[in-house]
Amino acid sequence: GDSVTQMEGPVTLSEEAFLTINCTYTATGYPSLFWYVQYPGEGLQLLLKATKADDKGSNKGFEATYRKETTSFHLEKGSVQVSDSAVYFCALSDPYNFNKFYFGSGTKLNVKP
Amino acid sequence: NAGVTQTPKFQVLKTGQSMTLQCAQDMNHNSMYWYRQDPGMGLRLIYYSASEGTTDKGEVPNGYNVSRLNKREFSLRLESAAPSQTSVYFCASSELIYYEQYFGPGTRLTVT
Repeated sequence: GDSVTQMEGPVTLSEEAFLTINCTYTATGYPSLFWYVQYPGEGLQLLLKATKADDKGSNKGFEATYRKETTSFHLEKGSVQVSDSAVYFCALSDPYNFNKFYFGSGTKLNVKP
Repeated sequence: NAGVTQTPKFQVLKTGQSMTLQCAQDMNHNSMYWYRQDPGMGLRLIYYSASEGTTDKGEVPNGYNVSRLNKREFSLRLESAAPSQTSVYFCASSELIYYEQYFGPGTRLTVT
Protein backbone atom coordinates (compact mmCIF):
# COMPACT_ATOMS: atom_id res chain seq x y z
CA GLY A 1 0.00 0.00 0.00
CA ASP A 2 0.87 3.67 -0.06
CA SER A 3 3.37 5.01 2.48
CA VAL A 4 5.73 7.87 3.26
CA THR A 5 9.15 7.49 4.88
CA GLN A 6 11.02 10.41 6.39
CA MET A 7 14.49 10.67 7.82
CA GLU A 8 14.73 10.28 11.56
CA GLY A 9 15.23 13.34 13.67
CA PRO A 10 15.98 15.48 15.43
CA VAL A 11 18.10 17.44 13.00
CA THR A 12 20.22 20.13 14.64
CA LEU A 13 21.78 22.88 12.53
CA SER A 14 23.42 26.22 13.07
CA GLU A 15 21.78 29.33 11.67
CA GLU A 16 22.49 29.86 7.96
CA ALA A 17 23.31 26.18 7.39
CA PHE A 18 21.88 24.23 4.45
CA LEU A 19 18.93 21.99 5.22
CA THR A 20 17.87 18.72 3.64
CA ILE A 21 15.12 16.53 5.04
CA ASN A 22 14.69 13.33 3.07
CA CYS A 23 11.30 11.93 2.12
CA THR A 24 10.57 8.90 -0.03
CA TYR A 25 7.20 7.47 -0.90
CA THR A 26 5.43 4.39 -2.16
CA ALA A 27 2.24 4.83 -4.15
CA THR A 28 0.20 2.86 -6.64
CA GLY A 29 -0.84 5.79 -8.79
CA TYR A 30 0.34 9.32 -9.40
CA PRO A 31 0.15 10.97 -6.00
CA SER A 32 0.30 14.59 -5.01
CA LEU A 33 3.07 15.32 -2.50
CA PHE A 34 3.14 17.82 0.34
CA TRP A 35 5.32 19.21 3.08
CA TYR A 36 3.66 20.45 6.24
CA VAL A 37 5.26 22.33 9.13
CA GLN A 38 4.18 22.27 12.76
CA TYR A 39 5.46 24.96 15.10
CA PRO A 40 5.40 24.27 18.84
CA GLY A 41 1.88 24.22 20.24
CA GLU A 42 0.22 24.73 16.86
CA GLY A 43 -1.53 22.71 14.17
CA LEU A 44 0.06 21.66 10.89
CA GLN A 45 0.41 24.25 8.15
CA LEU A 46 0.84 23.46 4.48
CA LEU A 47 4.35 24.55 3.49
CA LEU A 48 4.48 23.51 -0.17
CA LYS A 49 3.12 20.98 -2.61
CA ALA A 50 3.74 19.34 -6.00
CA THR A 51 1.10 17.56 -8.00
CA LYS A 52 3.05 15.87 -10.80
CA ALA A 53 6.49 14.55 -11.63
CA ASP A 54 9.28 17.14 -11.95
CA ASP A 55 7.14 19.84 -10.32
CA LYS A 56 8.98 21.98 -7.80
CA GLY A 57 7.06 23.32 -4.84
CA SER A 58 8.47 26.35 -3.05
CA ASN A 59 7.54 28.65 -0.20
CA LYS A 60 9.38 30.80 2.37
CA GLY A 61 12.76 29.75 0.95
CA PHE A 62 11.95 26.03 1.16
CA GLU A 63 11.89 23.89 -1.98
CA ALA A 64 11.10 20.30 -2.88
CA THR A 65 11.09 18.58 -6.27
CA TYR A 66 8.80 15.68 -7.14
CA ARG A 67 11.15 12.95 -8.42
CA LYS A 68 9.21 10.02 -9.79
CA GLU A 69 12.30 8.07 -10.83
CA THR A 70 13.60 8.00 -7.25
CA THR A 71 10.14 8.27 -5.59
CA SER A 72 11.42 11.16 -3.50
CA PHE A 73 10.34 14.62 -2.38
CA HIS A 74 13.24 15.96 -0.31
CA LEU A 75 12.82 19.30 1.47
CA GLU A 76 15.66 21.81 1.13
CA LYS A 77 16.48 25.30 2.30
CA GLY A 78 19.66 27.16 1.55
CA SER A 79 20.01 29.07 4.80
CA VAL A 80 17.94 28.14 7.85
CA GLN A 81 16.92 30.55 10.59
CA VAL A 82 16.15 29.98 14.25
CA SER A 83 12.50 30.64 13.40
CA ASP A 84 12.51 27.53 11.14
CA SER A 85 12.74 25.32 14.22
CA ALA A 86 9.68 23.08 13.97
CA VAL A 87 8.53 19.58 13.03
CA TYR A 88 8.27 18.89 9.30
CA PHE A 89 5.91 16.28 7.86
CA CYS A 90 6.01 14.83 4.37
CA ALA A 91 2.64 13.63 3.05
CA LEU A 92 0.99 12.21 -0.02
CA SER A 93 -2.49 11.80 -1.39
CA ASP A 94 -3.27 9.24 -4.03
CA PRO A 95 -6.24 10.04 -6.26
CA TYR A 96 -6.60 6.30 -6.95
CA ASN A 97 -7.05 5.62 -3.25
CA PHE A 98 -9.56 8.13 -2.02
CA ASN A 99 -9.62 6.86 1.52
CA LYS A 100 -6.18 7.91 2.60
CA PHE A 101 -3.91 10.88 3.02
CA TYR A 102 -0.59 9.53 4.20
CA PHE A 103 1.69 11.40 6.59
CA GLY A 104 5.27 10.61 7.43
CA SER A 105 6.27 10.40 11.07
CA GLY A 106 7.73 13.90 11.15
CA THR A 107 11.27 15.27 11.46
CA LYS A 108 12.10 17.73 14.20
CA LEU A 109 14.44 20.55 13.19
CA ASN A 110 16.36 22.54 15.79
CA VAL A 111 18.24 25.59 14.56
CA LYS A 112 20.81 27.10 16.93
CA PRO A 113 21.79 30.78 16.81
CA ASN B 1 -11.76 34.05 7.49
CA ALA B 2 -10.90 31.88 10.50
CA GLY B 3 -10.08 28.67 8.59
CA VAL B 4 -10.52 25.64 10.84
CA THR B 5 -11.51 26.25 14.45
CA GLN B 6 -11.61 23.75 17.30
CA THR B 7 -13.06 23.88 20.78
CA PRO B 8 -12.00 23.43 23.48
CA LYS B 9 -8.23 24.06 23.39
CA PHE B 10 -7.59 22.05 26.55
CA GLN B 11 -9.63 19.48 28.45
CA VAL B 12 -9.06 17.20 31.41
CA LEU B 13 -11.42 14.25 31.87
CA LYS B 14 -11.69 11.47 34.38
CA THR B 15 -11.81 7.89 33.13
CA GLY B 16 -15.34 7.03 32.03
CA GLN B 17 -16.48 10.60 31.36
CA SER B 18 -17.75 11.61 27.96
CA MET B 19 -17.16 14.70 25.89
CA THR B 20 -17.50 16.10 22.39
CA LEU B 21 -14.79 17.94 20.51
CA GLN B 22 -16.13 20.53 18.11
CA CYS B 23 -14.69 21.49 14.75
CA ALA B 24 -15.88 24.03 12.20
CA GLN B 25 -14.47 25.32 8.91
CA ASP B 26 -15.43 28.37 6.91
CA MET B 27 -13.69 27.48 3.63
CA ASN B 28 -16.69 25.67 2.10
CA HIS B 29 -14.68 22.45 2.06
CA ASN B 30 -16.38 19.16 1.32
CA SER B 31 -14.11 16.84 3.31
CA MET B 32 -13.23 16.88 6.99
CA TYR B 33 -10.99 14.73 9.20
CA TRP B 34 -10.12 13.95 12.80
CA TYR B 35 -6.57 12.96 13.75
CA ARG B 36 -4.78 12.24 16.96
CA GLN B 37 -1.13 13.02 17.50
CA ASP B 38 0.90 11.14 20.07
CA PRO B 39 4.61 11.64 20.80
CA GLY B 40 6.76 9.75 18.32
CA MET B 41 3.77 8.41 16.37
CA GLY B 42 2.98 11.18 13.94
CA LEU B 43 -0.64 11.68 12.93
CA ARG B 44 -3.19 8.89 12.96
CA LEU B 45 -6.55 9.25 11.25
CA ILE B 46 -9.52 8.52 13.51
CA TYR B 47 -12.49 9.25 11.24
CA TYR B 48 -13.15 11.26 8.15
CA SER B 49 -16.08 12.62 6.20
CA ALA B 50 -15.59 12.74 2.46
CA SER B 51 -18.68 14.88 1.99
CA GLU B 52 -21.68 16.11 3.93
CA GLY B 53 -23.79 13.16 5.01
CA THR B 54 -21.00 10.56 4.96
CA THR B 55 -18.50 9.39 7.56
CA ASP B 56 -15.93 6.58 7.50
CA LYS B 57 -13.47 4.98 9.86
CA GLY B 58 -9.81 5.76 9.68
CA GLU B 59 -6.85 3.96 11.20
CA VAL B 60 -7.82 4.19 14.90
CA PRO B 61 -11.63 4.58 15.28
CA ASN B 62 -12.22 2.47 18.39
CA GLY B 63 -13.62 4.45 21.32
CA TYR B 64 -14.76 7.37 19.16
CA ASN B 65 -17.83 8.45 17.24
CA VAL B 66 -18.31 11.32 14.83
CA SER B 67 -21.10 13.44 13.45
CA ARG B 68 -21.01 15.52 10.29
CA LEU B 69 -23.58 18.03 11.48
CA ASN B 70 -23.58 20.04 8.25
CA LYS B 71 -21.03 21.06 5.65
CA ARG B 72 -19.19 23.30 8.13
CA GLU B 73 -19.12 21.21 11.29
CA PHE B 74 -17.65 17.83 12.20
CA SER B 75 -17.65 16.70 15.83
CA LEU B 76 -15.76 13.92 17.59
CA ARG B 77 -17.28 12.21 20.61
CA LEU B 78 -15.61 10.14 23.30
CA GLU B 79 -18.36 8.13 24.97
CA SER B 80 -16.29 6.72 27.84
CA ALA B 81 -12.85 8.26 28.03
CA ALA B 82 -9.81 6.11 28.78
CA PRO B 83 -6.24 7.13 29.69
CA SER B 84 -5.11 5.74 26.31
CA GLN B 85 -7.08 8.55 24.68
CA THR B 86 -4.81 11.18 26.19
CA SER B 87 -3.53 12.94 23.10
CA VAL B 88 -3.65 16.05 20.99
CA TYR B 89 -6.59 16.00 18.58
CA PHE B 90 -6.55 17.83 15.28
CA CYS B 91 -9.40 18.53 12.94
CA ALA B 92 -8.66 19.21 9.27
CA SER B 93 -10.58 19.97 6.12
CA SER B 94 -9.95 19.84 2.38
CA GLU B 95 -11.80 20.92 -0.72
CA LEU B 96 -12.06 17.33 -1.91
CA ILE B 97 -11.01 14.03 -0.38
CA TYR B 98 -7.50 13.92 -1.80
CA TYR B 99 -6.66 17.60 -1.87
CA GLU B 100 -4.33 19.35 0.57
CA GLN B 101 -5.65 19.54 4.10
CA TYR B 102 -5.93 22.56 6.38
CA PHE B 103 -5.61 22.01 10.10
CA GLY B 104 -7.11 23.51 13.21
CA PRO B 105 -4.99 24.50 16.23
CA GLY B 106 -5.69 21.28 18.12
CA THR B 107 -7.29 20.17 21.39
CA ARG B 108 -5.01 18.85 24.11
CA LEU B 109 -6.92 16.17 26.02
CA THR B 110 -5.78 14.51 29.21
CA VAL B 111 -7.66 11.56 30.68
CA THR B 112 -6.79 10.71 34.28
